[in-house]
Amino acid sequence: GAVVSQHPSWVICKSGTSVKIECRSLDFQATTMFWYRQFPKQSLMLMATSNEGSKATYEQGVEKDKFLINHASLTLSTLTVTSAHPEDSSFYICSASSDGGYTFGSGTRLTVV
Amino acid sequence: DQQVKQNSPSLSVQEGRISILNCDYTNSMFDYFLWYKKYPAEGPTFLISISSIKDKNEDGRFTVFLNKSAKHLSLHIVPSQPGDSAVYFCAASDGNNDMRFGAGTRLTVKP
Repeated sequence: GAVVSQHPSWVICKSGTSVKIECRSLDFQATTMFWYRQFPKQSLMLMATSNEGSKATYEQGVEKDKFLINHASLTLSTLTVTSAHPEDSSFYICSASSDGGYTFGSGTRLTVV
Repeated sequence: DQQVKQNSPSLSVQEGRISILNCDYTNSMFDYFLWYKKYPAEGPTFLISISSIKDKNEDGRFTVFLNKSAKHLSLHIVPSQPGDSAVYFCAASDGNNDMRFGAGTRLTVKP
């Protein structure tokens, strides 16, 4: 089946630094990729939707200058958390969509200290 | 490492009948389980959840059952309606609250 690889699986960074998270579709071309943030014991919060070669569409309340999303190819999307702060500590998950299929990545646990 | 498995990629049910979607997990540290529903061209939306201290949670037509010894949970939809046709994802989280998703099951409810 379709596989979405997300790296890193966990990262610890200092406050004020930037962190990049990658999401790759390994055996299919993803026309659309989604980025979610998960809060403890709560549902996923959709942060943004990105289509290859175009600007990401951010959900209301998500700072586009803080959460930079790049979808440069049909197999790779990146989320960069800029000037990270402890409140950005969370679990981030990507998903990729193509031809009606929808596959989640394995997630990234970000801890900002 | 697929910790959450939905072994049936698709399921077809007649309107009015029961739909049963299954999910198995391997990590005994999972303590919270969720079901998401996804329509085409939309993101997944939260449907129902269950904590590991329970074995059943009911919300209207939707009931989730958890069998911890078998590491198995299921979602029952009764009665099924055509509008229930969607892809259903099972998810599980552990004490770190990191969520793992299954591959999804496409449910088709025929009128």
